[in-house]
Amino acid sequence: DGGITQSPKYLFRKEGQNVTLSCEQNLNHDAMYWYRQDPGQGLRLIYYSQIVNDFQKGDIAEGYSVSREKKESFPLTVTSAQKNPTAFYLCASSWTQPSNTEAFFGQGTRLTVV
Amino acid sequence: KQEVTQIPAALSVPEGENLVLNCSFTDSAIYNLQWFRQDPGKGLTSLLLIQSSQREQTSGRLNASLDKSSGRSTLYIAASQPGDSATYLCAVAGSNYQLIWGAGTKLIIKP
Repeated sequence: DGGITQSPKYLFRKEGQNVTLSCEQNLNHDAMYWYRQDPGQGLRLIYYSQIVNDFQKGDIAEGYSVSREKKESFPLTVTSAQKNPTAFYLCASSWTQPSNTEAFFGQGTRLTVV
Repeated sequence: KQEVTQIPAALSVPEGENLVLNCSFTDSAIYNLQWFRQDPGKGLTSLLLIQSSQREQTSGRLNASLDKSSGRSTLYIAASQPGDSATYLCAVAGSNYQLIWGAGTKLIIKP
């Protein structure tokens, strides 16, 4: 079964703690993305990567970090510097040819600060 | 800077009605436009993707149109069913492949 897998589905973070969200895809896509979704707002891009060992900041990268050591994996770390991390986090992947950039999404991770 | 707007933010209609969801964007220089469906607490499911050279795409009871010159796309849902209740999002892809998102339309189909 091809697709994108995010884990865990729910995550609780204490104040001052770093947590890592997992995203794995077996679609052989070049590009992977992390988005944050807050109620009543559109998705906001945190980081994206179009090739292994390279990634770029999105619109709201502060307080987050990523790595892309393998094509299949793009983990997101929410650091203690992110002051308001409670949100729904979505990972996506796509090809990067102009004729084929359809994005596919995982099922999301809901992060709550306790 | 590209901006994407979806109006209305919420819509409630009786089962069986045909309906139209709207998406507008400010910069016509797009590669494609994609419509997604999101169920509560879930990820996004791609419904239709329209390339910039296309005018419309159809999948089952769904039809999406694209008018780049006016910066508009519509998602037409025929013979709506309670299972169509979800939030529908549109996103446009620009030259850097990045998706710019609307805030979505929450659709409720009443049995």
